[in-house]
Amino acid sequence: DAKTTQPTSMDCAEGRAANLPCNHSTISGNEYVYWYRQIHSQGPQYIIHGLKNNETNEMASLIITEDRKSSTLILPHATLRDTAVYYCIVRVGGKLIFGQGTELSVKP
Amino acid sequence: GAVVSQHPSRVICKSGTSVKIECRSLDFQATTMFWYRQFPKKSLMLMATSNEGSKATYEQGVEKDKFLINHASLTLSTLTVTSAHPEDSSFYICSASTGGRAEKLFFGSGTQLSVL
Repeated sequence: DAKTTQPTSMDCAEGRAANLPCNHSTISGNEYVYWYRQIHSQGPQYIIHGLKNNETNEMASLIITEDRKSSTLILPHATLRDTAVYYCIVRVGGKLIFGQGTELSVKP
Repeated sequence: GAVVSQHPSRVICKSGTSVKIECRSLDFQATTMFWYRQFPKKSLMLMATSNEGSKATYEQGVEKDKFLINHASLTLSTLTVTSAHPEDSSFYICSASTGGRAEKLFFGSGTQLSVL
């Protein structure tokens, strides 16, 4: 079973920041949090991952709480092409077990 | 980012035939690859873990004789759906692990299998 919970869906206005939350209260000390997104009928695309420090790359920022029980993925300036299902994943036994993800709709 | 190539992207076959799907890591060596299947409007379901040079490890409920996995080299894993039936119609996706301390997993573009 997936170790994360996410809201089922979210809307975001084009050009605004999209903040996607994720709860992972049972995460262990050495487990990373991974974020992927999937656009319809394509393979998941890697976004970012982190352990305990906040991370930023060209796609997004990842903010992990100090107790590591939750995190937030931030897309700083959402575009229509960011519409996708976003998955927050904690690896279990070396495997990526997908939950239901958050369906993000970016609207004009 | 690293590239994982999956082929074919779409296949239509008759019931009873076998279908082979290839997954290649193009710019890194992957000792571990994973195979998933996905039904419409559902999340990805892990089927098996493929390790180079050893037998694949299947998730509970996945028939290993139905879904044959071979990981013969550090850059290639194959999934063969044997004697396919309409209920095997699904979107199949592979992923490959870069390994190492800063490990990442990259996914192929998926294969849509339709069994008539």
